[in-house]
Amino acid sequence: ILNVEQSPQSLHVQEGDSTNFTCSFPSSNFYALHWYRWETAKSPEALFVMTLNGDEKKKGRISATLNTKEGYSYLYIKGSQPEDSATYLCAFGGATNKLIFGTGTLLAVQP
Amino acid sequence: NAGVTQTPKFQVLKTGQSMTLQCAQDMNHEYMSWYRQDPGMGLRLIHYSVGAGITDQGEVPNGYNVSRSTTEDFPLRLLSAAPSQTSVYFCASRKLAGGPRGNEQFFGPGTRLTVL
Repeated sequence: ILNVEQSPQSLHVQEGDSTNFTCSFPSSNFYALHWYRWETAKSPEALFVMTLNGDEKKKGRISATLNTKEGYSYLYIKGSQPEDSATYLCAFGGATNKLIFGTGTLLAVQP
Repeated sequence: NAGVTQTPKFQVLKTGQSMTLQCAQDMNHEYMSWYRQDPGMGLRLIHYSVGAGITDQGEVPNGYNVSRSTTEDFPLRLLSAAPSQTSVYFCASRKLAGGPRGNEQFFGPGTRLTVL
């Protein structure tokens, strides 16, 4: 059974704070690590897909890094805004075609 | 493009009833999958397919069947509904060409199922 773990489970920050979350995944048979943003009552939407060790991706105030050798990825949000409130999911793509998701980090940004 | 569509949006079943959740995509994606979302459990993979005529089991396949007769459609069948199958079901698709695990996945709007 593949284990994809995310921490923390939830996070409450003030507007303007910077924050980061962690995704841990198996370091063997790695192919890709996905990050998704999931707002309440909507469907998950892709933020990043990373495939190479040392990858760094950025979209506006959100960025992500990848370490495949030790099996972790960080997602950073700089200057959090209330509209950043959502659940952030990571998903591990390994030796099969399957994408296995972590349980997510719930971020609440208070004005 | 409509993207990934799912029907119905809501469904209430009685224990023992069967039904089919529909999923379709118009992006010519080879890979399609079904997930269920339960509180505290995240998204768990039920079944997936890498192309027409090919399906495989995910993490929680028991009680569900799938088939893939066309590239566009990937229905999920509940054979005999149980209260434990009360959940929100998401269908998703992505392109395989260029490296299957490197392409982002697109999700449908979800089907909220209640089994009484």
